Amino acid sequence: EVQLVESGGGLVQPGRSMKLSCAASGFTFSNYGMAWVRQAPTKGLEWVATISYDGSSTYYRDSVKGRFTISRDNAKSTLYLQMNSLRSEDTATYYCTRVEDWELFYWYFDFWGPGTMVTVSS
Amino acid sequence: DIQMTQSPASLSASLGETISIECRASEDIYSNLAWYQQKSGKSPQLLIYAANRLQDGVPSRFSGSGSGTQYSLKISGMQPEDEGDYFCLQGSKFPWTFGGGTKLELK
Repeated sequence: EVQLVESGGGLVQPGRSMKLSCAASGFTFSNYGMAWVRQAPTKGLEWVATISYDGSSTYYRDSVKGRFTISRDNAKSTLYLQMNSLRSEDTATYYCTRVEDWELFYWYFDFWGPGTMVTVSS
Repeated sequence: DIQMTQSPASLSASLGETISIECRASEDIYSNLAWYQQKSGKSPQLLIYAANRLQDGVPSRFSGSGSGTQYSLKISGMQPEDEGDYFCLQGSKFPWTFGGGTKLELK
């Protein structure tokens, strides 16, 4: 059974840093791209960042580029999101997701963790 | 960025009613579209990928269709457990973008 479990969320002051982790199990982690998706309170979903199966390629939404870094440790089956210079608009539940690429063309998130809440406030 | 316009924003359906939710992309996304259901306080669950392929374990009353810029999710026979929020996702081009969501309630 695929399991993704996020950790590391909490309350942080604007301008400070926070690192999220996602422990993966139930599948061969090193075979899959992974991503972070966030959802502000009572809002819709927003893709944040994606990393390729081997970590060689990363992609970010413009609003987090230069502030957030996605990374992975395939030996530990763990995904990370380092968040620097946090802003109030980064307040959201952050979901760890597995990326599926059916027929190497259709891209989507097939499994999601339960999420971890990040609140940026003074 | 590709904008995903989802409609309606909310919908109320009777037990057994067939409903449809639409997503319109601002450009051709070549069927690179997925649908998700999110129940209150839970993470989203994949229903449909590649516009019309049913994810394993999802009831057959859910179906997807569409091409180009227009896509739809159909629920053939509303059930109580289908209440929740529904989102579409385009995976054609970065940044991947979601529709604004549809809140589905049982009448």
